[in-house]
Amino acid sequence: QSVLTQPPSVSGAPGQRVTISCTGSSSNIGAGYAVYWYRQSPGTAPKLLMYANNNRPSGVPDRFSGSKSGTSASLAITGLQADDEADYYCQSYDSSLSGSFVFGTGTKVTVL
Amino acid sequence: QVQLQESGPGLVKPSETLSLTCSVSGGLLSGYYWSCIRQAPGKGLEWIGYIHHTGATKYSPSLKSRVTMSVDTSNNQFSLKVTSVTAADTAVYYCARDFDPFEYWGQGTLVTVSS
Repeated sequence: QSVLTQPPSVSGAPGQRVTISCTGSSSNIGAGYAVYWYRQSPGTAPKLLMYANNNRPSGVPDRFSGSKSGTSASLAITGLQADDEADYYCQSYDSSLSGSFVFGTGTKVTVL
Repeated sequence: QVQLQESGPGLVKPSETLSLTCSVSGGLLSGYYWSCIRQAPGKGLEWIGYIHHTGATKYSPSLKSRVTMSVDTSNNQFSLKVTSVTAADTAVYYCARDFDPFEYWGQGTLVTVSS
């Protein structure tokens, strides 16, 4: 039961821009906890794509950008490419109960 | 670069204990937190818990009563045990370094709970 909600799927043509939303609450994103993004291709482990809201690890192209506002965060992909097809997950910390790291529901990006 | 490799039983019977070992290479356990995350078939990611090289742990509230993690610094490994498993525990189990973010991941190992 994920506490971070993402759209099940987004799609776009090559070269277009798509955004993935991650909606949380006052006990996670809204409480100021950082948001992280991971990309997962079929049959492989997730890979860190964005850390601390809007920072790209080395090797991640600047076509990927992150933002956070209030109880939500977003990942934007510009100049969409065929190999951007994957599942994308947001992640944060939730302070309810005794605290837990939580993932989003996941979004499948399809390149048309 | 640090690499993680999970090893598990593949198949566990209902009500039994699932045991998973994560071997770390290319770096030491010391100084880091080590996490376990799972993903049920076709589902999203679920954090299970973490352990520090000192042995300090934190577990997901939803799994806390059934989960134990331990560390073996001499063999650069850490382990996960989940007791009283059911079909709902069927998943790919991943090991990862750190949290916020989970920076490095193993390739994962599928554990199926079935009689």
